[in-house]
Amino acid sequence: QKEVEQNSGPLSVPEGAIASLNCTYSDRGSQSFFWYRQYSGKSPELIMFIYSNGDKEDGRFTAQLNKASQYVSLLIRDSQPSDSATYLCAVRSAGNQFYFGTGTSLTVIP
Amino acid sequence: DAGVIQSPRHEVTEMGQEVTLRCKLISGHNSLFWYRQTMMRGLELLIYFNNNVPIDDSGMPEDRFSAKMPNASFSTLKIQPSEPRDSAVYFCASSSHAAGGYTGELFFGEGSRLTVL
Repeated sequence: QKEVEQNSGPLSVPEGAIASLNCTYSDRGSQSFFWYRQYSGKSPELIMFIYSNGDKEDGRFTAQLNKASQYVSLLIRDSQPSDSATYLCAVRSAGNQFYFGTGTSLTVIP
Repeated sequence: DAGVIQSPRHEVTEMGQEVTLRCKLISGHNSLFWYRQTMMRGLELLIYFNNNVPIDDSGMPEDRFSAKMPNASFSTLKIQPSEPRDSAVYFCASSSHAAGGYTGELFFGEGSRLTVL
């Protein structure tokens, strides 16, 4: 399977801080990139997607893509305890398969 | 709108038994993905269908695993015979894939937690 690498963490940040999550991928033909959030015992849910190089902002979340470096990141500003979850980076290949990293566990400390 | 529906939610079985997991896609979606999630390996893509046709089954672990899509809205994943190492959460996800390349996000079902004793 195509490789998608994430720091497994755990990552702990205080409430109100910025959480930074990183992801690299191996397939240069990858078409689009997604960040999913998964609470314990639940299914993954989409937070953001990004197709083009640069930044994309949605509320407290910013996704960043650098195709030359094969790097995707997610910034969470003003982190809240409710953001505590596992964050999964997903990459859609040229063949339309979706590959996931193993996830980064985030804990926001009140 | 109903989301992706999976059944059963929980299955406990004994080694050697046959297990069948079921998935109903979101209406209008034409791509179907089966994933297996474990702590050690994360979300592994098992098989991907587009318009009822299996496109990529390279992630299916071995011949004990098989998946079918008998119609546009329904899929099954069968494990026969099951083994303890098959214990995991199995997710089904669907998306809309248009000719020409556009693909929407993946929508996940709630998962089927399988325990093989």
